Amino acid sequence: AQSVTQPDIHITVSEGASLELRCNYSYGATPYLFWYVQSPGQGLQLLLKYFSGDTLVQGIKGFEAEFKRSQSSFNLRKPSVHWSDAAEYFCAVGAMGYGGSQGNLIFGKGTKLSVKP
Amino acid sequence: DGGITQSPKYLFRKEGQNVTLSCEQNLNHDAMYWYRQDPGQGLRLIYYSQIVNDFQKGDIAEGYSVSREKKESFPLTVTSAQKNPTAFYLCASSPRTGTGNTIYFGEGSWLTVV
Repeated sequence: AQSVTQPDIHITVSEGASLELRCNYSYGATPYLFWYVQSPGQGLQLLLKYFSGDTLVQGIKGFEAEFKRSQSSFNLRKPSVHWSDAAEYFCAVGAMGYGGSQGNLIFGKGTKLSVKP
Repeated sequence: DGGITQSPKYLFRKEGQNVTLSCEQNLNHDAMYWYRQDPGQGLRLIYYSQIVNDFQKGDIAEGYSVSREKKESFPLTVTSAQKNPTAFYLCASSPRTGTGNTIYFGEGSWLTVV
């Protein structure tokens, strides 16, 4: 079965420091991978997605992610964190044949990012 | 502006009552979804719809019902059969179904049972 694991429930980094959020997936074919961000009490905003091609994907707000098939990972990175990046981050994989239909996403449980001044 | 509108943002329900959460999209998307979010649980799929007048159960459909009478609308009813309905509910849509399709989310609705 498809699954997504975000090993870190909560991460704290200092403003200006670099960031890496981990995501590991289990999927039987070529995965379609996504990172979303959620501010408290808000909906999810798409940061970036990987469908095929270049394994380093650029997203909005200065984020990037690298798809590593050998490690079944899709880690999210940012070189310098801003206080406004404090939020919860969700990794997701496109689910093949889910419930008889394609197109749904399987989400990880999220990583909450706190930023220290 | 194009987007997904959920209403109300906050809703309180007495035990034994049914409540309906509204979701409207003007993105001309074929597929729509309802997710439930609980702290530490991530998102869980309640129902999804690929096309008007068709919908399918997700992981946690018990105690919920939906309709899809119009392409742009996908309301969710939380019935009295849902034993623990207090949660954050997210509506979403995508241009079509199909692996790799990007799903876009509304701003969510908080439901609290009092």
